[in-house]
Amino acid sequence: QKEVEQDPGPLSVPEGAIVSLNCTYSNSAFQYFMWYRQYSRKGPELLMYTYSSGNKEDGRFTAQVDKSSKYISLFIRDSQPSDSATYLCAMSGMDSSYKLIFGSGTRLLVRP
Amino acid sequence: EAGVTQFPSHSVIEKGQTVTLRCDPISGHDNLYWYRRVMGKEIKFLLHFVKESKQDESGMPNNRFLAERTGGTYSTLKVQPAELEDSGVYFCASSPQYTGELFFGEGSRLTVL
Repeated sequence: QKEVEQDPGPLSVPEGAIVSLNCTYSNSAFQYFMWYRQYSRKGPELLMYTYSSGNKEDGRFTAQVDKSSKYISLFIRDSQPSDSATYLCAMSGMDSSYKLIFGSGTRLLVRP
Repeated sequence: EAGVTQFPSHSVIEKGQTVTLRCDPISGHDNLYWYRRVMGKEIKFLLHFVKESKQDESGMPNNRFLAERTGGTYSTLKVQPAELEDSGVYFCASSPQYTGELFFGEGSRLTVL
């Protein structure tokens, strides 16, 4: 079983929709939770970085962490065609916070 | 400010040959990391430098892989001899702190034929 599970999609939504992306994990030692966006043939770009549980908002993006359920989410409001990309969740523990464990990524397509 | 830069963007080599990938981190970032994504798999950690010192190389797959970071600046990752299963995208990342906020380069795609 993978430490981090992420639905690969693709997820296709119309422009303006609210997008919900999710990951589940099995390792209760994870304390740092990240969402990266990756455009085709590019490197992962850090979108959101959260420590422990709770919510974090940045513009149209909201990250949620529920450690009791081992479940993290990324919400995108008013989605735009430029949001079309692969979204990767990643997480790490306290003792090796740089050693990110990635999900497989969810492909998102926002249709104009 | 320049981001993490990697060279080459794509390399095609024959099995048994040697390839060297280079990474220039963001200026001032002491922490440098190598990750890779092989076909159909998730991005996985290879190793971590702090300045010129290897802090953690637990993710290096075998002794055909050699990473160096000269003078705590740029880093190289050499694969010698390359095998078919080494094909994938090799990402370099850097960070100013010992945290999970890593900034990734665009990756070096390696194809071993």
